[in-house]
Amino acid sequence: GAVVSQHPSWVICKSGTSVKIECRSLDFQATTMFWYRQFPKQSLMLMATSNEGSKATYEQGVEKDKFLINHASLTLSTLTVTSAHPEDSSFYICGAEDVDTGGTEAFFGQGTRLTVV
Amino acid sequence: AQKVTQAQTEISVVEKEDVTLDCVYETRDTTYYLFWYKQPPSGELVFLIRRNSFDEQNEISGRYSWNFQKSTSSFNFTITASQVVDSAVYFCALSEGINTNAGKSTFGDGTTLTVKP
Repeated sequence: GAVVSQHPSWVICKSGTSVKIECRSLDFQATTMFWYRQFPKQSLMLMATSNEGSKATYEQGVEKDKFLINHASLTLSTLTVTSAHPEDSSFYICGAEDVDTGGTEAFFGQGTRLTVV
Repeated sequence: AQKVTQAQTEISVVEKEDVTLDCVYETRDTTYYLFWYKQPPSGELVFLIRRNSFDEQNEISGRYSWNFQKSTSSFNFTITASQVVDSAVYFCALSEGINTNAGKSTFGDGTTLTVKP
């Protein structure tokens, strides 16, 4: 089955620093990737849709200057949390749609737990 | 606007019991897709099923079955003879429009299922 690898699985950083999270589709091409945020015991909130070679589309209320998304290739999208603060601590999950399935199925990474201290 | 409601926050059953997880959705589109995902303690989202709005056939996959009823806007998920490994958070999700965009979905708040031995 299609595999999405997300790295790192967890990260602890100091307040004010930036953190980059990578999302890779290992065995398929993903023209579209998605970034979600999940607070403890809560649902997933879509942050942005990332399209290969173009700017990401952010959901309302998500600061694009704070959450920088780059989708440089068909297999890699990155999320950079800039100048992280404790309130950015959360579980971030990326998802990818397989081009061959026409978006009918999404595959998700294992998530990254970010803790800002 | 689309909305997914999973009224059951937590369910606890004893192994081998059957359990049904409820999902009610709201959408103004006539074309939409419904999904169920499993999120085990490790965090990754595991795709379970996709159903489009034109296909009301129920589906069975091993111990899993899904009941889709447009008349009540429900897409319920039943696990038969539950096992401890079924313990996880289960999310129901909705994606509107002709293009599935499985990765761009509105998720319910999730139901935490605990199966006790």
